[in-house]
Amino acid sequence: DAKTTQPTSMDCAEGRAANLPCNHSTISGNEYVYWYRQIHSQGPQYIIHGLKNNETNEMASLIITEDRKSSTLILPHATLRDTAVYYCIVSVNFGNEKLTFGTGTRLTIIP
Amino acid sequence: ETGVTQTPRHLVMGMTNKKSLKCEQHLGHNAMYWYKQSAKKPLELMFVYSLEERVENNSVPSRFSPECPNSSHLFLHLHTLQPEDSALYLCASSQYRGSNTEAFFGQGTRLTVV
Repeated sequence: DAKTTQPTSMDCAEGRAANLPCNHSTISGNEYVYWYRQIHSQGPQYIIHGLKNNETNEMASLIITEDRKSSTLILPHATLRDTAVYYCIVSVNFGNEKLTFGTGTRLTIIP
Repeated sequence: ETGVTQTPRHLVMGMTNKKSLKCEQHLGHNAMYWYKQSAKKPLELMFVYSLEERVENNSVPSRFSPECPNSSHLFLHLHTLQPEDSALYLCASSQYRGSNTEAFFGQGTRLTVV
């Protein structure tokens, strides 16, 4: 699986959009970009994933650059409950046993 | 609620005890996973089961013994653990190697070995 690079931590004001970047310059053509988050002491929560096109669901939007070497997860109106560690993962699918979680970005929403 | 349920949520056990962690999924997935998350460390994949057969064992000590009796249930049997095995143990499920798949995690079992 391609390696990802994320900032260690970020702050965002409550009510503003939180934009979390991820670099994956060695991504292969058939690898998806997945985002998960983990709120303190809970299991990781699936957020969104995409291959090439931008994706949106009820939780977030995923913007993937045209060359697919980086992506941005957007939480449109951050709330205090969005404080968590956010993981960007690149893999052909989750069923790949070589899929690994890195250290992620610790996002803190500031009141 | 993710559709993946783990029990118990918290467990304290002595080093000579035997206990089991249970995971159950009702998502129709055919693969289940055990992960370990120690304090301030990334998630570590321990075991992968697909169609009830183990397909991956990431050099996990034999004091951890997984069991997958059917595609909906996964167990992790524990015996003679060490204090350094204290961690959050997470179960996940997905479609195995299907394209465009995602996994869903349980809430985890917080294990403390004393």
